[in-house]
Amino acid sequence: KNQVEQSPQSLIILEGKNCTLQCNYTVSPFSNLRWYKQDTGRGPVSLTIMTFSENTKSNGRYTATLDADTKQSSLHITASQLSDSASYICVVRKITGTASKLTFGTGTRLQVTL
Amino acid sequence: DAGVIQSPRHEVTEMGQEVTLRCKPISGHNSLFWYRQTMMRGLELLIYFNNNVPIDDSGMPEDRFSAKMPNASFSTLKIQPSEPRDSAVYFCASRLLAGVRDEQFFGPGTRLTVL
Repeated sequence: KNQVEQSPQSLIILEGKNCTLQCNYTVSPFSNLRWYKQDTGRGPVSLTIMTFSENTKSNGRYTATLDADTKQSSLHITASQLSDSASYICVVRKITGTASKLTFGTGTRLQVTL
Repeated sequence: DAGVIQSPRHEVTEMGQEVTLRCKPISGHNSLFWYRQTMMRGLELLIYFNNNVPIDDSGMPEDRFSAKMPNASFSTLKIQPSEPRDSAVYFCASRLLAGVRDEQFFGPGTRLTVL
């Protein structure tokens, strides 16, 4: 079982609508959680990073939340635009001693349509 | 800054051939990562280097895969011999080691097709 589970796998919404993507993780000990946006044919680009003490962070129309107790994060997109069509990947980092390890979710593929 | 540069962007080869993927990290970054991405498995870390030294290669699938970083501005990922199941997009990423918020910057990827 993947230690980072994302849902839904894919999503289609109309332009202008809001949507929320989910990320549940079991990675421990937790260091931080990052959301990436990956446009088709491009590499992932970081949207937000959240550490243990942060529970909400915004980046324009993107708002990420983190509940470290339940090990859940969400990415909320407000007033979606066609350019939001992409895959959104949740990545959780853990630190053990001096080493760190990233665990990637398989992503949610979002399509925004007219 | 030009960002992470990868070449080639696309590679089509026949099974059994040697494939070499190249990466130039962002100038000044001291950590470099190689990933493989497929629809089924998503992004998988293959290997990463800190200060040109391989730190963790546990993600390298087989001895057919090898990676080198001869200097701070260049890395290669080699597959020899290639197999159809190696078909994927291979990403290189770099970062500046600077604590828990250090961000990886990804290149555009190399789409590899092995026939």
